[in-house]
Amino acid sequence: GAGVSQSPRYKVTKRGQDVALRCDPISGHVSLYWYRQALGQGPEFLTYFNYEAQQDKSGLPNDRFSAERPEGSISTLTIQRTEQRDSAMYRCASSRTTTSYEQYFGPGTRLTVT
Amino acid sequence: RKEVEQDPGPFNVPEGATVAFNCTYSNSASQSFFWYRQDCRKEPKLLMSVYSSGNEDGRFTAQLNRASQYISLLIRDSKLSDSATYLCVVLVSGGYNKLIFGAGTRLAVHP
Repeated sequence: GAGVSQSPRYKVTKRGQDVALRCDPISGHVSLYWYRQALGQGPEFLTYFNYEAQQDKSGLPNDRFSAERPEGSISTLTIQRTEQRDSAMYRCASSRTTTSYEQYFGPGTRLTVT
Repeated sequence: RKEVEQDPGPFNVPEGATVAFNCTYSNSASQSFFWYRQDCRKEPKLLMSVYSSGNEDGRFTAQLNRASQYISLLIRDSKLSDSATYLCVVLVSGGYNKLIFGAGTRLAVHP
């Protein structure tokens, strides 16, 4: 079946613009996670959802970052007033249940802020 | 100090070699441990879970030492296709599925 999909795959934006990154999890997966991955580093946890409820947003760097999953399926990560330091690969993952340890990652969105 | 620390490598080994990666974690309350594999420019994928008693999956063996807060991965009879970055991953306790990733150890297997 289809895996986790993310769009856009690449996004170049100017400093100060808002961006919205989309994640479409594997069908039926109830938990969804957002990570940020810098070059040469492992993924860094940002936030996660069980169904439509945001369970933990402790990893969001500041209040310019927000995420939602209004219907418990597709999720959007929004970054307002982007800064150059926001440039990174943003990865989404999903898991089948709220207690599944295996997370399936999407291909990521490469964000470049100029 | 990082929550999960790994030697970044790279480890350059010939085909057929045995190679071992180590990882340490700082949170003694961590409850579950994993190794993920990430190929160049691809997404991470679960390689194997790590159990207290140690576990093996084909050529791969994972060990956990809770007292020393140390995790290892041993790869026997290395193949060219094993070339990748190996990420040590710890599940934060508290009932939430919050995974903490190490920075990864890069392995390059050459003919």
